[in-house]
Amino acid sequence: ETGVTQSPTHLIKTRGQQVTLRCSSQSGHNTVSWYQQALGQGPQFIFQYYREEENGRGNFPPRFSGLQFPNYSSELNVNALELDDSALYLCASSEDPGHEQYFGPGTRLTVT
Amino acid sequence: RKEVEQDPGPFNVPEGATVAFNCTYSNSASQSFFWYRQDCRKEPKLLMSVYSSGNEDGRFTAQLNRASQYISLLIRDSKLSDSATYLCVVNKGAGGSYIPTFGRGTSLIVHP
Repeated sequence: ETGVTQSPTHLIKTRGQQVTLRCSSQSGHNTVSWYQQALGQGPQFIFQYYREEENGRGNFPPRFSGLQFPNYSSELNVNALELDDSALYLCASSEDPGHEQYFGPGTRLTVT
Repeated sequence: RKEVEQDPGPFNVPEGATVAFNCTYSNSASQSFFWYRQDCRKEPKLLMSVYSSGNEDGRFTAQLNRASQYISLLIRDSKLSDSATYLCVVNKGAGGSYIPTFGRGTSLIVHP
């Protein structure tokens, strides 16, 4: 059974650029959630996808967008990057919304 | 008041000690609860779900108190390897959509 994977592991971007992060969910899981984690803080919920539809969203601006594919893998897109977007981005998959989540190793994004 | 609150610690305990963490939540409609551990610069890993009747997994015991709106984690016979940050997660849901909220985490340091 393959766990949750994310790519890339590290990324450096310039303010104003756009970035796409990718996540492959664990086998048998149809739900993917994305989080942003700043140093010393807990993960902040960005949004969740369930069976290819957005199924909940946290307090993040519209420049954070995503999608989920038929194989339940997912992408997080961030437009017009700001310095404060520098963080660890985590995705987590689960069998269904509200169930135990299993996290990928994260993508560390640095915006300069 | 934050939706989910944890004492950040650190809790500094000797090996063999018993330590307990609490996590309070503000939304009475919260429906599912979990504890995760996170090692430095790693992704969160599921420790255990929290059931209404309380549950135990080896040295770890989780409890839910809906009346007072908190969950707890008890670690008995602490090991050096228990040193980590412990994150609680509270899911509030409606109509099949679940919004997970993480606490900021409680740091545990177990020393010889």
